[in-house]
Amino acid sequence: QVQLQQWGATVLKPSETLSLTCAVYGGSFRNYYWSWIRQAPGKGLEWIGEINYSGSTKYIPSLKSRISISVDTSKNQVSLKLSPATAADTAVYYCARGITLTPGGGDAFDVWGQGTLVTVSS
Amino acid sequence: QSMLTQPPSVSGAPGQRVTISCSGSISNIGTGYDVHWYQHLPGTAPKLLIYGDNNRPSGVPERFSGSKSGTSASLAITGLQAEDEADYYCQSYDNSLSGSVFGTGTRVTVL
Repeated sequence: QVQLQQWGATVLKPSETLSLTCAVYGGSFRNYYWSWIRQAPGKGLEWIGEINYSGSTKYIPSLKSRISISVDTSKNQVSLKLSPATAADTAVYYCARGITLTPGGGDAFDVWGQGTLVTVSS
Repeated sequence: QSMLTQPPSVSGAPGQRVTISCSGSISNIGTGYDVHWYQHLPGTAPKLLIYGDNNRPSGVPERFSGSKSGTSASLAITGLQAEDEADYYCQSYDNSLSGSVFGTGTRVTVL
């Protein structure tokens, strides 16, 4: 049973760096894309980026100048950094496993971390 | 800036059938990319409900079903139950974004 466990600083001041890590336990790390998805208070889900085992990344255009996702294959971990953080980055952040289940194209997210509420406030 | 539009809310009495629409465009659903659906209860992680337009993962009740046509998709819940009260999101791939995109979300209320 694959499990994702995430952690990181939960309270930040504007201009600091938002940093979260997601560890993958109990399953293959190599064969999937690993995404970060967030939900701001009162808003919907927003995919913000992904990475694969080889370190190939994709980011949502609106965050491209501030976001970095990296992978540590020795620890089966994926990390998210967002800098500088602003109040608009206040959200619950989830890591999730992307899996291609049908030939139609486009991954589904079948395993999720527990979510981390990050608050950016002065 | 979501590219997939859903109604903010739908409601129904227990036992009734409700549907949730997901309207996209030629750069996502209209290209033929899969549509997936998630159930999101407050304080928990979203749960994959439907994948590849109309497939249920193991453990998801048969009363949840999905469909797709053109640039839109739909989720249907038949025999609505109190435990179905949650937020539901569609999701697909968008080739102008070169990444995944979620719908705006729909709150289902059981009357």
